[in-house]
Amino acid sequence: AQRVTQPEKLLSVFKGAPVELKCNYSYSGSPELFWYVQYSRQRLQLLLRHISRESIKGFTADLNKGETSFHLKKPFAQEEDSAMYYCALIDEAGGTSYGKLTFGQGTILTVHP
Amino acid sequence: KAGVTQTPRYLIKTRGQQVTLSCSPISGHRSVSWYQQTPGQGLQFLFEYFSETQRNKGNFPGRFSGRQFSNSRSEMNVSTLELGDSALYLCASSLGQVTGDEKLFFGSGTQLSVL
Repeated sequence: AQRVTQPEKLLSVFKGAPVELKCNYSYSGSPELFWYVQYSRQRLQLLLRHISRESIKGFTADLNKGETSFHLKKPFAQEEDSAMYYCALIDEAGGTSYGKLTFGQGTILTVHP
Repeated sequence: KAGVTQTPRYLIKTRGQQVTLSCSPISGHRSVSWYQQTPGQGLQFLFEYFSETQRNKGNFPGRFSGRQFSNSRSEMNVSTLELGDSALYLCASSLGQVTGDEKLFFGSGTQLSVL
């Protein structure tokens, strides 16, 4: 069964420091991976997806199939980055994956001034 | 564009009762997915509906059911409530495309407390 593991429940850094939120997955096929974020008192929202190879709010994530990882990185953290971050995967389009994301347990990032 | 709307925001029920939660997707979105969020289990997929048909289902007992109407609005029903059903229930809408990079838009959730 597919699984997403975020080993850190809590992560604290100071403003301006680099930050890396870890995500490992187990999946036999070719997964599509996402990072979702939930800021305080806001809805869960998509941050970025690996298929787009995009950078959002300075965050990037690279899919490493060899290490089955999809770590989220930002070179200089900002206080407004403080939030709960979820790594998620959806299996490759094949008719049974609709709407079904498998989420990790989430990492609470706190950026101190 | 209005976002995903879930009603009610809070619900308190007692064991054995049943409950119905409602979700209105973003205009033009035909897919609605439901998730259960608890501190212990995190976010878990319940089911997904597209054009009034359930296309995908998670590993929840039959007490959890849903439906979708012709206007894409969806309801989720939980019968014979148990204490463990206390959770935040999130609804997400999307275009419902086949591609695996489908972007989900989440509602604020319905917080269900079972006493």
